[in-house]
Amino acid sequence: GESVGLHLPTLSVQEGDNSIINCAYSNSASDYFIWYKQESGKGPQFIIDIRSNMDKRQGQRVTVLLNKTVKHLSLQIAATQPGDSAVYFCAESDFENQGGKLIFGQGTELSVKP
Amino acid sequence: ETGVTQTPRHLVMGMTNKKSLKCEQHLGHNAMYWYKQSAKKPLELMFVYSLEERVENNSVPSRFSPECPNSSHLFLHLHTLQPEDSALYLCASSHRLGKYEQFFGPGTRLTVL
Repeated sequence: GESVGLHLPTLSVQEGDNSIINCAYSNSASDYFIWYKQESGKGPQFIIDIRSNMDKRQGQRVTVLLNKTVKHLSLQIAATQPGDSAVYFCAESDFENQGGKLIFGQGTELSVKP
Repeated sequence: ETGVTQTPRHLVMGMTNKKSLKCEQHLGHNAMYWYKQSAKKPLELMFVYSLEERVENNSVPSRFSPECPNSSHLFLHLHTLQPEDSALYLCASSHRLGKYEQFFGPGTRLTVL
């Protein structure tokens, strides 16, 4: 079956350092991937997405890397700030077979130490 | 208001009660979703609506009944729930079905006694 999982359930980094959050997926037909950030008491907030015809996409302080060969997705946050502390979810979608349904991973909790 | 709003934000109900969760999106989107988020579990998709038609019912028990009267509003009607239904219920919307980001509301924290 399909699954999306994260390698590390928790990640603690020093303020100013770069953070890398990893995600593995098993459905080789997935063609769309998203990263969400969820702060306590709030709904998930979109960070960045990437389609399967790309292997890298950059946003403001964030970069998503997609390695389809090993079915791996990562989110890099540059110069991590205390406000980045949250749970980060990756999600995959296989539009052709699953009609755009997002399958979410369990999440990684990022803790930023001042 | 902008974005996706949900009411109520918190709800406590007994197993014999009937209640409804409301979601409203002000983004002009055509697709809306209900998700369940339990502690230590990934988000679980419950229902998907596209242009007010249900296109996904993810094996959800019949004690959860969705309603989408128009493309801006989505309801989740609850009756005879179980304590294990206690969770955060999230509504989301997207431009349409497909490779589009979903915008989430803040959720309703539901506790079933």
